[in-house]
Amino acid sequence: KAGVTQTPRYLIKTRGQQVTLSCSPISGHRSVSWYQQTPGQGLQFLFEYFSETQRNKGNFPGRFSGRQFSNSRSEMNVSTLELGDSALYLCASRTSLADTQYFGPGTRLTVL
Amino acid sequence: AQTVTQSQPEMSVQEAETVTLSCTYDTSESDYYLFWYKQPPSRQMILVIRQEAYKQQNATENRFSVNFQKAAKSFSLKISDSQLGDAAMYFCASNSGGSNYKLTFGKGTLLTVNP
Repeated sequence: KAGVTQTPRYLIKTRGQQVTLSCSPISGHRSVSWYQQTPGQGLQFLFEYFSETQRNKGNFPGRFSGRQFSNSRSEMNVSTLELGDSALYLCASRTSLADTQYFGPGTRLTVL
Repeated sequence: AQTVTQSQPEMSVQEAETVTLSCTYDTSESDYYLFWYKQPPSRQMILVIRQEAYKQQNATENRFSVNFQKAAKSFSLKISDSQLGDAAMYFCASNSGGSNYKLTFGKGTLLTVNP
């Protein structure tokens, strides 16, 4: 099976812009989670979608939003970008909420 | 709420030797799972090993094994016959049914393997 894929792999934006990141889960996986990884804060959970419904949400401002489509693909959107949003954004998928999460290669976002 | 603590920011080991990475966790749930993930310089997060809390037997995967001490809430990872390719950041993580199985990570341990 193909692994989790994320597009784009690298992105450079300027403050105030918005960005959309995409994640395609492993075939058959219905859950997609998003994480932000920075040197200072480590790995922080953003949100998780299961069968198009948000099931878990982390402690991030409303500028961070997501959605999941009927084919389980997920998108994450960040509006009004700030310098502190520069990070590696990781997506993970699993078959069910109790299952192991498998990660994609990440999208490196740089905000200038 | 779950918490995961990795007290060793950095560790080093000689090639072919054994190293143990420490992890403690805290959860009030009885239904939970524990994981070790590896993140090499490529930044791809790779599952190393998984342990179900209801299983008394320690999980093993080839050269990787865990020492799961449920009462002490301890979950250490032992890497035997260390190889250069084992060099990476290692993250301990847990999820529990009470939190809808949300995955919580420790801060990580950077492992260096010396030739």
